Formats: sequence, structure tokens, C-alpha cells
Amino acid sequence: GNSVTQMEGPVTLSEEAFLTINCTYTATGYPSLFWYVQYPGEGLQLLLKATKADDKGSNKGFEATYRKETTSFHLEKGSVQVSDSAVYFCALSDQNTGNQFYFGTGTSLTVIP
Amino acid sequence: DTEVTQTPKHLVMGMTNKKSLKCEQHMGHRAMYWYKQKAKKPPELMFVYSYEKLSINESVPSRFSPECPNSSLLNLHLHALQPEDSALYLCASSQDYVSHGYTFGSGTRLTVV
Repeated sequence: GNSVTQMEGPVTLSEEAFLTINCTYTATGYPSLFWYVQYPGEGLQLLLKATKADDKGSNKGFEATYRKETTSFHLEKGSVQVSDSAVYFCALSDQNTGNQFYFGTGTSLTVIP
Repeated sequence: DTEVTQTPKHLVMGMTNKKSLKCEQHMGHRAMYWYKQKAKKPPELMFVYSYEKLSINESVPSRFSPECPNSSLLNLHLHALQPEDSALYLCASSQDYVSHGYTFGSGTRLTVV
């Protein structure tokens, strides 16, 4: 079946630190992979995506590369800001299972000045 | 218009009340979703509508009743809820292929008293 495993949080970093949030997946087909971000009191926003192996998604300084050989899609940012404090969800979709997403458990990030 | 609009943003209801949550999108997306999210947890799928037909019902109690009047609107009718139903209810939409990802609304924060 399909599933997503995310590193446990919470994660606390100082401003300008390097961020990595690990995400690995299992899928029966050829999934598309996503990172969503949820700021306090809000819905989920698509941060970046990759639809095939070796694709790199990027947005707002965040990057993630679709690694089929390691079934991973780790989120990275070189220098975090206080405004990046949020919960980050890794997710996959698989056309073989219809219009359905599989979410990881979420990783809470707090950036302190 | 690249948004999913949910109303109301906040709702407090008694266990004997009947209320409805509304969701609207004008992106031409043909799949729409209801998710329930408890604090510090990932969203849980409740219902999927594809081309205005209910395609997935994730064993949701009958006190939740979805309705899709047309391709742009999605309602969730609530009746005789329990306090444990208090959560953030998120609506989302997607194109036919979920490789494009979901667009989420900002949610309705529901409190059942």
C-alpha cells in the first residue's frame, strides 16, 4: 500500500540555521510527491511538488528532490526565518489509487530569533 | 481565481443543532474533498466527490452528510454532533490528476458544545 513516513518533531532552530525534514514513502505505483505547510490557524498550502524521479521542487527557498532509489523526498532550506515556523506535511498521490492523498504525520518547526 | 473559499471560518454548535459548512472553488476542478483535522495531526479524509458524484466515503458517521450541488460547490451538513467532532474541517479541490496537488481552503474551526 501507500504510506508516508516523516521525521518526528517538534523541531526548534535558530534563525538562519539549515533545515532538513526527512520524508520517506512507500507506493505501489509512480507517485507524485508534495510538501504542504500549515501556518497556525490556517489551512494547508502547497509548498512544492515533484511528479517524477529526480525532479526537484522548489519554492520560497525550500527544496526537495524526488529520490526513487531511496524512496525519499527530504525538505531542505539553507537559512530559516522566524516566519517559517509552521507544521510541514509530506504527502504523496498515486494515480493507481484514484484521487487520494496520503499524508505524513507532520513536523512542527519553530524558528527562534 | 485560485482559491478554495470556506464559510464560516468559525462555528460553535450544540449537540442538537443542525448546521452546514460551505466550500466553493472556481478553478474548474472536478474533484472536491472534505477532510477533518484534529490538533497536531494530519488531515483525515472524509469524503471525495468526483464529477459531482460521491466516490469515496471513509466510513464517516451519518451525522455528517455531504452534498455537491454543482461542480463549484460542496457542502457538509452537520446534525447531532458530539464534542469529539470538534476539529478543523478542511475542503480541498483538485484537477482530474492529483499529480497537480490539492488546493485547500483555510478551513472551518468547529466546536461542539
